[in-house]
Formats: sequence, C-alpha cells, structure tokens
Amino acid sequence: AQSVAQPEDQVNVAEGNPLTVKCTYSVSGNPYLFWYVQYPNRGLQFLLKYITGDNLVKGSYGFEAEFNKNQTSFHLKKPSALVSDSALYFCAVRDEYNFNKFYFGSGTKLNVKP
Amino acid sequence: DAGVIQSPRHEVTEMGQEVTLRCKPISGHNSLFWYRQTMMRGLELLIYFNNNVPIDDSGMPEDRFSAKMPNASFSTLKIQPSEPRDSAVYFCASSLVLAHTGELFFGEGSRLTVL
Repeated sequence: AQSVAQPEDQVNVAEGNPLTVKCTYSVSGNPYLFWYVQYPNRGLQFLLKYITGDNLVKGSYGFEAEFNKNQTSFHLKKPSALVSDSALYFCAVRDEYNFNKFYFGSGTKLNVKP
Repeated sequence: DAGVIQSPRHEVTEMGQEVTLRCKPISGHNSLFWYRQTMMRGLELLIYFNNNVPIDDSGMPEDRFSAKMPNASFSTLKIQPSEPRDSAVYFCASSLVLAHTGELFFGEGSRLTVL
C-alpha cells in the first residue's frame, strides 16, 4: 500500500537558519512525490514535485527537496528560512497504478521565529 | 486562469439542515477531487471524478453525503441532513490526468460549521 509519513508535527527554526521538513514514503511502484504548503485559512498550494531525473528538485519560494531512493525519503529544505515561511506543509505521493490517488502525510507545522 | 473556485467560503448551519458546497475546477482539467480537512483526521479524500464520472467514493463517510458532477465545469457536494461532526473545511481540487506527473490544484476551501 502507498503511504507517506511526516514524523514531525512541528518544526521550529530561527529566521535565516536552514530548515528541513521530513517526509518518508512507501510505494509499490515508482514514486511520484509532491510538496504542498497551506497558509492559515487557505487551500493547499503546490510547491514542487519529483517525477524522475535529478534527485534535487527546486520549487517555489526558494524551496527544494531531495529525493533519496535508498532511504525512501523526500525531505523539503530551504537554505535560509523566512518568517513568512511559517505554515503547514504536506508531503504527498501519487499512486503509479492508480494515478488519481494521492496519499497525503499528516502535515508538519513550520514555525519560523524572528 | 482563476484557479479552482469554491463557494461558499464559509457556511454556518444548524443540525439537520441541507448543505450544498460548490466547485468549479480549472478549465481543461479532467479530474476533480473532494477532500475534507479536520484537526483530528487531517486531510481525507471523500470522492473523485474522472471525466465527470465518479470513480471512487469509498471515502464518503455516510449516505448523508453525496456528490455530483453534471458537467466538466461544475461539481457539488451535498450533506443532508447535516450533523455537528460534519464541521470541517471541505476542499475541491482538480488535476489534468494524462500521466502521473500532474499535480493537484486546490481551491480555497469551504469552512462548514454545523451547530
């Protein structure tokens, strides 16, 4: 079965410091991985995705994610956090065999303090 | 493009009343999804449509919930009768499903409060 795990409910980081939001996945086929961000009272916004190719994927707002097949991970990273990055982040995997199915993690709340 | 449009953004109703949530997907997208988000259960897929046809409604919690997609540009999610435990944010999302590469595009959500 396909699944995504976000082991941290919350991540706290100081502004200007690098941030990492963790995600691990389990799929039976090829992984198609996504990151979304949700600001308060807003819908989920697409940040980036990994389909194939380079393991380092760059996305919106300076975010990037590193795909690691051996560790079945897809951690979201940013070199220098901004207070405005504070939001809820979701990792998701798309089912290769039923590509209408997206499996979302439970979300990680990122708090960036000035 | 205006993105996925949902209405109403907020709905407050009393237990037993009928609630209808509406969604207009992005033009050209052929898949539409209804999700529910709560603090306790996170993001749950309720139902999804492909080319206006319901494909999987296994996430619909009870017969009180129904969804329709009469055409490619409109979908509704109806709750009748509503109960306090239905209080949640309901999201509509659409996607162009030609391959596995397409991402979901979410609307801003409809926040439902059932008193």
